Amino acid sequence: GAVVSQHPSWVICKSGTSVKIECRSLDFQATTMFWYRQFPKQSLMLMATSNEGSKATYEQGVEKDKFLINHASLTLSTLTVTSAHPEDSSFYICSAHVPGQGPPQETQYFGPGTRLLVL
Amino acid sequence: QKEVEQDPGPLSVPEGAIVSLNCTYSNSAFQYFMWYRQYSRKGPELLMYTYSSGNKEDGRFTAQVDKSSKYISLFIRDSQPSDSATYLCALRALGDYKLSFGAGTTVTVRA
Repeated sequence: GAVVSQHPSWVICKSGTSVKIECRSLDFQATTMFWYRQFPKQSLMLMATSNEGSKATYEQGVEKDKFLINHASLTLSTLTVTSAHPEDSSFYICSAHVPGQGPPQETQYFGPGTRLLVL
Repeated sequence: QKEVEQDPGPLSVPEGAIVSLNCTYSNSAFQYFMWYRQYSRKGPELLMYTYSSGNKEDGRFTAQVDKSSKYISLFIRDSQPSDSATYLCALRALGDYKLSFGAGTTVTVRA
């Protein structure tokens, strides 16, 4: 299957600082990537859809000024958590949509996730 | 009512047992059905992907889709301790890239 990487895998930061998380598609070009957050023992919550070369589409209730998304190339999307606070501590996962026609394409492949802890 | 319902479990079975997981959904627009496996502190991994009613088999895994009942299942035969993980169903509508996830079922296979 398609490979998606994320960096860093975990990060600890002080309250008020900004943190950037990178999501890369390693062996395919992804015009669409997604950012999720996941709290312990809960399912994935979609935060935003990232489209290459255009503004991200945010889900209801997600602050676009706090969670900045940039999809500058077909293989890289970044999520910046600005002025992070302890309540932003979570597991952030990206995925990339694999273009094509039918399975196994036309679905999302996920990165390994980034664990963020804000002190 | 959630679009996708999945019993979060947890589910504990002895090694070698058949694991049965399922999801129900309400939106008839869903046309693509996936099962992801997620180990603790890892990203979800695609296990099975189907787009029609019926069965699809891959090794020890069988996915079933019944569109008329809006019901999907995943069966794991001869379960192993390495199958211990959270299993998430994910559904997608035609023309939409977004996935709608179930809550995920946590499975533990006891050696």
